[in-house]
Amino acid sequence: TQLLEQSPQFLSIQEGENLTVYCNSSSVFSSLQWYRQEPGEGPVLLVTVVTGGEVKKLKRLTFQFGDARKDSSLHITAAQPGDTGLYLCAGARNNFNKFYFGSGTKLNVKP
Amino acid sequence: EAGVTQFPSHSVIEKGQTVTLRCDPISGHDNLYWYRRVMGKEIKFLLHFVKESKQDESGMPNNRFLAERTGGTYSTLKVQPAELEDSGVYFCASSPRSSRGTEAFFGQGTRLTVV
Repeated sequence: TQLLEQSPQFLSIQEGENLTVYCNSSSVFSSLQWYRQEPGEGPVLLVTVVTGGEVKKLKRLTFQFGDARKDSSLHITAAQPGDTGLYLCAGARNNFNKFYFGSGTKLNVKP
Repeated sequence: EAGVTQFPSHSVIEKGQTVTLRCDPISGHDNLYWYRRVMGKEIKFLLHFVKESKQDESGMPNNRFLAERTGGTYSTLKVQPAELEDSGVYFCASSPRSSRGTEAFFGQGTRLTVV
């Protein structure tokens, strides 16, 4: 069984649209990370959230950690073709350095 | 500053052969991790080194896998003998000593194909 359920798996949208990716679990995490991965590359860290209810913004990307620290979301405003890629959430439990990954959301933004 | 580097980027071997993957972490990072993604599955944890010591190897699938980090610098992951189900992308990541589950910097991965 997978600890972190990520949805949707695939998302194809037009440039300028908004989108939200969800990462859900029944388990509590001490921190949660969002990564973006390009083909042939490793995951690149976008943000880490550690406090329940925390909201972080990175330009057009907004990340939120649920109050109970069991879920997170990534919202992209006015998506651009450069946002195309695989978005991964990953959580750590009990401050240990072992990440549980979601299966990823493959985003395609069409010009 | 150089990031995490992995060698080789691709490897195709026959079932029963041995393969050794190498990871050079970011200089000064005490924590080193191995992860892998097999076809259609999520990225899964294999093990974690703190310097040269294995802190957590709970994700290692079986005794055909051996990881080492002699001297606390680079690490190797050996698969011997390789099986078809070992095919996938193997990622290495590192983080500084101060990291407590808040970040990891990943290499580009080694794509292993066992035929």
